[in-house]
Amino acid sequence: AQSVTQPDIHITVSEGASLELRCNYSYGATPYLFWYVQSPGQGLQLLLKYFSGDTLVQGIKGFEAEFKRSQSSFNLRKPSVHWSDAAEYFCAVGEGNFNKFYFGSGTKLNVKP
Amino acid sequence: DTAVSQTPKYLVTQMGNDKSIKCEQNLGHDTMYWYKQDSKKFLKIMFSYNNKELIINETVPNRFSPKSPDKAHLNLHINSLELGDSAVYFCASSPPRAQETQYFGPGTRLLVL
Repeated sequence: AQSVTQPDIHITVSEGASLELRCNYSYGATPYLFWYVQSPGQGLQLLLKYFSGDTLVQGIKGFEAEFKRSQSSFNLRKPSVHWSDAAEYFCAVGEGNFNKFYFGSGTKLNVKP
Repeated sequence: DTAVSQTPKYLVTQMGNDKSIKCEQNLGHDTMYWYKQDSKKFLKIMFSYNNKELIINETVPNRFSPKSPDKAHLNLHINSLELGDSAVYFCASSPPRAQETQYFGPGTRLLVL
């Protein structure tokens, strides 16, 4: 069965430090992978997505993610975190017809001044 | 200017009641979705509705019924509410031929007492 695992429930980083949020997936076919961000009281906003091609994808707000098939991972990274990045981040896998998406349980990011 | 809006934002009700959550999108999208985010923050798709075709997730009890009066609206009606229905419900929409890109509403927080 398809599933998405985000092993870290909470992460705290200092402003200006680098960030990596982990995501592992289980999916039988070629995955379509996504990262979303949810600010308090807001809906989910798409940060980036991977379908095929270059395994390093760039997204909005300075985020990037790397698809590693051998590790079934799609980790999200940012070289220098800003206080406004504090939010909850969700990794997701979409089925080929995009009628179903499987989301992880989210990682809450806190940013220390 | 809100792209995907939901009403109400908060809903507190008693077990056994029937309630509806409304969703509207002004993006001209053809496909709309309902998701349930449980206490562990997992987002699970409930329904997707593409023009006049409804795709039902088999794990959703038939107490949940989506209704789409037109392409811009997808409402969720819930009969005989149960304690386990307490969750945050997100509506989303996606453009034609780009169903992988979903725009989410801010969510409706439902609490069943």
